[in-house]
Amino acid sequence: ETGVTQSPTHLIKTRGQQVTLRCSSQSGHNTVSWYQQALGQGPQFIFQYYREEENGRGNFPPRFSGLQFPNYSSELNVNALELDDSALYLCASGFRDLGSDTQYFGPGTRLTVL
Amino acid sequence: DAKTTQPPSMDCAEGRAANLPCNHSTISGNEYVYWYRQIHSQGPQYIIHGLKNNETNEMASLIITEDRKSSTLILPHATLRDTAVYYCILPPDSNYQLIWGAGTKLIIKP
Repeated sequence: ETGVTQSPTHLIKTRGQQVTLRCSSQSGHNTVSWYQQALGQGPQFIFQYYREEENGRGNFPPRFSGLQFPNYSSELNVNALELDDSALYLCASGFRDLGSDTQYFGPGTRLTVL
Repeated sequence: DAKTTQPPSMDCAEGRAANLPCNHSTISGNEYVYWYRQIHSQGPQYIIHGLKNNETNEMASLIITEDRKSSTLILPHATLRDTAVYYCILPPDSNYQLIWGAGTKLIIKP
């Protein structure tokens, strides 16, 4: 158990809708990263939040946005859903100030866009 | 692009040692090598990381070559539950992103 939880476990949306995915980080961690994982591929980095500010972003459009809260929770928001957004969404928390880049992952949210 | 190279798949007999290689020829002097694994449809699980000395924990051992251009993850007594995709990863880039390759699909056979 990593202490990182995600909700919901599964979600079905239709094209054009908006979705919010939630993550509860391990207590004491100050970074949270979000990844998208398509079937049969490795995770793709979306962005990372550090002390409640976005400070790194992968090759994803602005309709992917996020928030990190002081209580170790965070959100991933996706607007104007597209069929290709169907994937497993993973959040990972870590503690950067210790000089370690170890990230602890949640179980993921499986998003299906119809 | 991933900064590491791994074989796409490997088999290992249950109870034997599983040795998973990884090439990371572009590694910098102060970069750690990290290993994660992902069991089907679950979130990735951290296994171990190392800089230049060999490392061991309750899950695995990590052997890093002297020139640090390659490493081997060793699962000493593989079980069926070790069947997973194993990823060898270098630390995040300046954009703080971990770059994941395709990993090695390890199948443990009874």
